Amino acid sequence: EVQLVDSGGGLVQPGGSLRLSCAASGFTFSDYWMSWVRQAPGKGLEWVANIKQDGSEKYYVDSVKGRFTVSRDNAKNSLYLQMNSLRAEDTAVYYCARDVTAITGDYFDYWGQGTLVSVSS
Amino acid sequence: EILMTQSPATLSVSPGERATLSCRASQSIAINLAWYQQKPGQAPRLLISGASTRAPGIPARFSGSGSGTGFTLTISSLQSEDFAVYYCQQYNDWPRGTFGQGTKVEIK
Repeated sequence: EVQLVDSGGGLVQPGGSLRLSCAASGFTFSDYWMSWVRQAPGKGLEWVANIKQDGSEKYYVDSVKGRFTVSRDNAKNSLYLQMNSLRAEDTAVYYCARDVTAITGDYFDYWGQGTLVSVSS
Repeated sequence: EILMTQSPATLSVSPGERATLSCRASQSIAINLAWYQQKPGQAPRLLISGASTRAPGIPARFSGSGSGTGFTLTISSLQSEDFAVYYCQQYNDWPRGTFGQGTKVEIK
């Protein structure tokens, strides 16, 4: 059974940092692109970042470029999101998701349960 | 950036009735569209990809159609467990898979 377990969220002050983790099991983690998707309270979904199977390619939504870094450790079946210079508008539930890679882009077939990041003074 | 617009924002339907949800793309995305269901406090669940292909385990009452810029998700006979928020997502614009703002299906 595919499982993604998100962790690492919490309350942080503006300008602070946080590192999210996603532990994967039930599939060959190193075979898949992986993504982070977030959802602000009461709002819709927003893709944040993704990373190639070997970590050699990474992409980000414009609003987090230069502040967030996605990484992975295939030996530990884990995905990470390092978030620096956090802003109030980064407040959201962050989900890791497994990518299904189509020719033109990715959609997501499995999701973690999410971890809440709150940025507030 | 491809913008995805869903309508209506809220759909009130009685159990057993048909629900029809719409999703429109700001430019052609062929059939590179997915639908997700999200219940309160839960992660989204993939329902449909390729505009019309149900994901494994998704009941046949869920069907998707459309191509280009206009898409529809139909739930043929609403069950109690189907009351949720539904999102469409385009994946024609690598790597930015943008989502619609969602349609809430509520009990009438």
